[in-house]
Amino acid sequence: KAGVTQTPRYLIKTRGQQVTLSCSPISGHRSVSWYQQTPGQGLQFLFEYFSETQRNKGNFPGRFSGRQFSNSRSEMNVSTLELGDSALYLCASSTQTGATEAFFGQGTRLTVV
Amino acid sequence: AQSVTQPDIHITVSEGASLELRCNYSYGATPYLFWYVQSPGQGLQLLLKYFSGDTLVQGIKGFEAEFKRSQSSFNLRKPSVHWSDAAEYFCAVGADTGNQFYFGTGTSLTVIP
Repeated sequence: KAGVTQTPRYLIKTRGQQVTLSCSPISGHRSVSWYQQTPGQGLQFLFEYFSETQRNKGNFPGRFSGRQFSNSRSEMNVSTLELGDSALYLCASSTQTGATEAFFGQGTRLTVV
Repeated sequence: AQSVTQPDIHITVSEGASLELRCNYSYGATPYLFWYVQSPGQGLQLLLKYFSGDTLVQGIKGFEAEFKRSQSSFNLRKPSVHWSDAAEYFCAVGADTGNQFYFGTGTSLTVIP
């Protein structure tokens, strides 16, 4: 059974640009959540999607957005990139919404220069 | 508000020695508790989880954790550490309303031969 796949693994962008990250969950999983990991702030929750609907949202500015498709694949978009957006972005998939174990992808390392 | 505290930023142990990583949580309802491990440049792997029932839970790689409600703790233990256990360990509490986790700041484990 394939795991959670995140693409691309590495990305370098310039300040002011926008970026789209992709996450393909484990087959059959309908819940996808996104986290930002930085040395200073640790792991912070961005948002969660379940059946194409955003169920929860963390405390991030509106520049951070996401969506989920009918096949449960999810994308997150960051517009007007800032240097502080440099981070490892992790996607996690789960079979359902509600507390249950989540399976994480290897992440996308975004560097903003 | 939900929060997780991992008081030890970094721990060094000798190979073969026992290990205990501390975790304290704050959560209004019954907590769903997790321990994840992260190797450099990788995503998070679930070690074990506690939802209810027996307060001593067994996980993968020989790890176990004990839930103590009176102390709001969920400490991770291993009787004999292997060099391959060197990694970053994260304690997390899961919200019961979604696939959303609140992570501690992590404990970095170094294993010396």
